[in-house]
Amino acid sequence: DSGVTQTPKHLITATGQRVTLRCSPRSGDLSVYWYQQSLDQGLQFLIQYYNGEERAKGNILERFSAQQFPDLHSELNLSSLELGDSALYFCASTPDTLNYGYTFGSGTRLTVV
Amino acid sequence: QKEVEQDPGPLSVPEGAIVSLNCTYSNSAFQYFMWYRQYSRKGPELLMYTYSSGNKEDGRFTAQVDKSSKYISLFIRDSQPSDSATYLCAMSEDAGNKLTFGGGTRVLVKP
Repeated sequence: DSGVTQTPKHLITATGQRVTLRCSPRSGDLSVYWYQQSLDQGLQFLIQYYNGEERAKGNILERFSAQQFPDLHSELNLSSLELGDSALYFCASTPDTLNYGYTFGSGTRLTVV
Repeated sequence: QKEVEQDPGPLSVPEGAIVSLNCTYSNSAFQYFMWYRQYSRKGPELLMYTYSSGNKEDGRFTAQVDKSSKYISLFIRDSQPSDSATYLCAMSEDAGNKLTFGGGTRVLVKP
C-alpha cells in the first residue's frame, strides 16, 4: 500500500455520462497530481493541486475538471464522456511542490461503453 | 514525435542477466531524470532519481544520463523474476515542474 488511495478501482459508464474519481493523498502530502494512462499515449499529465490551489495544468480537456478540498483529498470530474476517455487515471502525491518521488495510487480504470 | 521515446519491448532476459533500458528525449531543457517501475494493475513506483548528467548507483540498479546525446539508461544487474514489470522513464525541466513520461518498456525475466 503506497498510502495514496484512489476510488473507485473500476468504473464502467456510458458515453455522455459524468463520473467523479477520488484521491486521498499520502498523509502529510500537500501536492496532488492527476495523470491519464492510455495504451497509445502513455502517462499524460492532467493537472496539479498544491494545498487546495491549482498549480499547473497539462493536457486536460475542458470536459474535465478537478479540485482539492481543505482535507487535501482531490476529485477529478469527467463529463460528456467519450469512448476515447477510457483509460487508467492515476493520482500521485508529494509532500511539497517538488517532483522528487511521486507516490502513485493504484489508479481508477475507466471504461466508457 | 513524442518528447520522450522509449522502446515498448517486451524485453525478455534469463534470470541473472543484465537488463539494459533506455530513453531518448528531444527537450534539451530537461535536467531531472527518473525511472519508475510499474507492476500490472499497480501505480508506478520510483526507482531512481538523478539530476543532470552522470551515473547513480543504488543496489542492483544503475542510472546513467548523457545530456549531450539526450539519452538516459537504466541497468539492472543480476535480474530476478520479480523484476518483471514495465519500466518508465520520466523527466522534467526543473524540480517544481510536471514530469514527462516515456511510454514504458515491458521487461520479462525468465527463471
